[in-house]
Amino acid sequence: AQKITQTQPGMFVQEKEAVTLDCTYDTSDQSYGLFWYKQPSSGEMIFLIYQGSYDEQNATEGRYSLNFQKARKSANLVISASQLGDSAMYFCAMRDLANAGGTSYGKLTFGQGTILTVHP
Amino acid sequence: DAGVTQSPTHLIKTRGQQVTLRCSPKSGHDTVSWYQQALGQGPQFIFQYYEEEERQRGNFPDRFSGHQFPNYSSELNVNALLLGDSALYLCASSLSQGFYEQYFGPGTRLTVT
Repeated sequence: AQKITQTQPGMFVQEKEAVTLDCTYDTSDQSYGLFWYKQPSSGEMIFLIYQGSYDEQNATEGRYSLNFQKARKSANLVISASQLGDSAMYFCAMRDLANAGGTSYGKLTFGQGTILTVHP
Repeated sequence: DAGVTQSPTHLIKTRGQQVTLRCSPKSGHDTVSWYQQALGQGPQFIFQYYEEEERQRGNFPDRFSGHQFPNYSSELNVNALLLGDSALYLCASSLSQGFYEQYFGPGTRLTVT
C-alpha cells in the first residue's frame, strides 16, 4: 500500500522568501508519479507540479520546484519568492502508474497536508 | 476550455437520506475519479470510472456507488447517509492515455444533519 507523510502541519514564511514543504512516501511500486496540489480556502485542488519516478531531473514549474530524492523517498516542494497568494493548504500525492489495455489509471493517495501562511 | 464542473456546490441532507452528486469532466477527458475530503484531512479515493465502468475502488462501503455516462460525465450516489459522510466531495478528470495529471473540480460540500 502507498503512503504519503507530510510532517509539517503548518509553515510560515515571509513574503519574497523561499520555503520548503516536506513530503516522504512509501511504496513498493517501481513506477509511480508524485504530485503537489494547492488547495485555497475555496476548496478547489490546483495542480502545481509532477515528478515521475524515472525522471532523472527534478521537476520545475515557474516558482515551484520539486526536490526529488528517490533513495530517501522524499519529494519536497520548494516555493521561491513567496507571494501572499501562496497562502493555502498544500498536499503531496502519489499515483501508481497502473496500465491496462493501453490505458493508464491509478488513484491518487494524498498526505495530510501542510498549511502555508505567507506574511507581508 | 471548460474545466471540471460539479453540482451542486452545497447540499444539506438528513441522516438516512440519499444524495446524488454530479460531475462534468474537463473537455477531452475520459476518466473520472471521486474523492472524499473530511475537514482538515487529505482527500480519500472513492472510485474511478472509465468507459462507463468502475475501474478501481477505494475502501468505501457499498452505500457509495457511481455511474459514468456516454458523454463521460459522472454521478456519485450515497445511500443511507451517516453523519460521518459530511465532507467535501471532489471530482477529478484525466486522460486514460498520456500524462497522468488529474484535474479537480471545485467540489460539493455535503452536510449531513
